[in-house]
Amino acid sequence: EVQVVESGGGLVQTGGSLRLSCAASGFNFRSYAMNWVRQAPGTGLEWVSGISGTGIATYYGDSVKGRFTISRDNSRNTLYLQMNSLRGEDTAVYYCAKAGRFCGGDCPTPSYLDSWGQGTLVTV
Amino acid sequence: EIVMTQSPVTLSVSPGERATLSCRASQTVSSNLAWYQQRPGQAPRLLIYGASTRATGIPARFSGSGSGTEFTLTISSLQSEDFAVYYCQQFYNWPQTFGRGTKVEIK
Repeated sequence: EVQVVESGGGLVQTGGSLRLSCAASGFNFRSYAMNWVRQAPGTGLEWVSGISGTGIATYYGDSVKGRFTISRDNSRNTLYLQMNSLRGEDTAVYYCAKAGRFCGGDCPTPSYLDSWGQGTLVTV
Repeated sequence: EIVMTQSPVTLSVSPGERATLSCRASQTVSSNLAWYQQRPGQAPRLLIYGASTRATGIPARFSGSGSGTEFTLTISSLQSEDFAVYYCQQFYNWPQTFGRGTKVEIK
């Protein structure tokens, strides 16, 4: 069974930093891109960042570019999101989501998201 | 970036009735369109990808159609567990973007 479990959320002051983790299991982790999607209280979904299966290619939404860094450790089946210079508008539940499209190498385009974690709350 | 516009914002439907949700893209996304369901307090769940392919375990009462810029999600006969918020997402190019959602509520 595919499973992704986020951790690392919490309360942080404006300007502070936080690192989120996502532990994955039940699939060949290195073969799939991974993403972070967030949801501010009472609002819709916002894609935050994505990373290719090898970790070579990374992508960011404009609202976090230059402040957040996505990375992965394929030996540990773990995805990360380093969040720096946090602002009030970064307050949200952060979801880890697995790409549904299988790529032998790195996919040049995004994918639908077929497995989501339960999310971790970040409050700034 | 591609802007996804969903309508209506809220849809009031009686159990057993049909619900039709719309999603429009600001430019073509071909068939690179997915639909998600989010129940209160839960994570989103993939329903449809490739505009019309049901995800694993999704009941046949959910169907998707469309291509290019106009898409539709149809729920043929609403069950109690279907009252939720539905989002469309384009994965044609970066950044992938979501619509603001349609809330399906009990009439």
